[in-house]
Amino acid sequence: KNQVEQSPQSLIILEGKNCTLQCNYTVSPFSNLRWYKQDTGRGPVSLTIMTFSENTKSNGRYTATLDADTKQSSLHITASQLSDSASYICVVSFWVIYQLIWGAGTKLIIKP
Amino acid sequence: DAMVIQNPRYQVTQFGKPVTLSCSQTLNHNVMYWYQQKSSQAPKLLFHYYDKDFNNEADTPDNFQSRRPNTSFCFLDIRSPGLGDTAMYLCATAEYSNQPQHFGDGTRLSIL
Repeated sequence: KNQVEQSPQSLIILEGKNCTLQCNYTVSPFSNLRWYKQDTGRGPVSLTIMTFSENTKSNGRYTATLDADTKQSSLHITASQLSDSASYICVVSFWVIYQLIWGAGTKLIIKP
Repeated sequence: DAMVIQNPRYQVTQFGKPVTLSCSQTLNHNVMYWYQQKSSQAPKLLFHYYDKDFNNEADTPDNFQSRRPNTSFCFLDIRSPGLGDTAMYLCATAEYSNQPQHFGDGTRLSIL
């Protein structure tokens, strides 16, 4: 069964600290992996998109890694800010390229 | 500048009363998507258009329909909303299916 699992479900850290969110998937064959940030009451915003040949991609303080062999991805946030409080969703594209398998998300709370 | 605009942002309607949600885009993207997102869950794809080609997900309820009269606009029609249709409805666009999706801020629909 094609699945995307994220951990932790929720995370609370202090402003300025770093954190890493995990994504494991069983989707096969794999096309690409995306990370989205969703603020409460808003639509998701794309952070990164990686194909199987890419193993790291950065977007400002966000760095995503991908290990296509172990089917794992992580999103590392450096020097967290209050505005990073949001849900972070990992989405994996199945071979039917419009078909996306969504993870349940990690809810991140940054405290001052 | 907003690139994917959804109207209205909030909609309250009565059980069984038809409702239409709208989405417009200024990106000239080929693909438009409609998602349903319930509280604390990942978005669930309802259907999408690749240009004028309509693709319905197998488990999308029959009372959900869509129209795309031109490249810029897409509508979601719910013919007879039930209480279980209370959710956030997200519209997204992409230049091609394997590209990142750009989301609007959604319409929060409440059925009373």
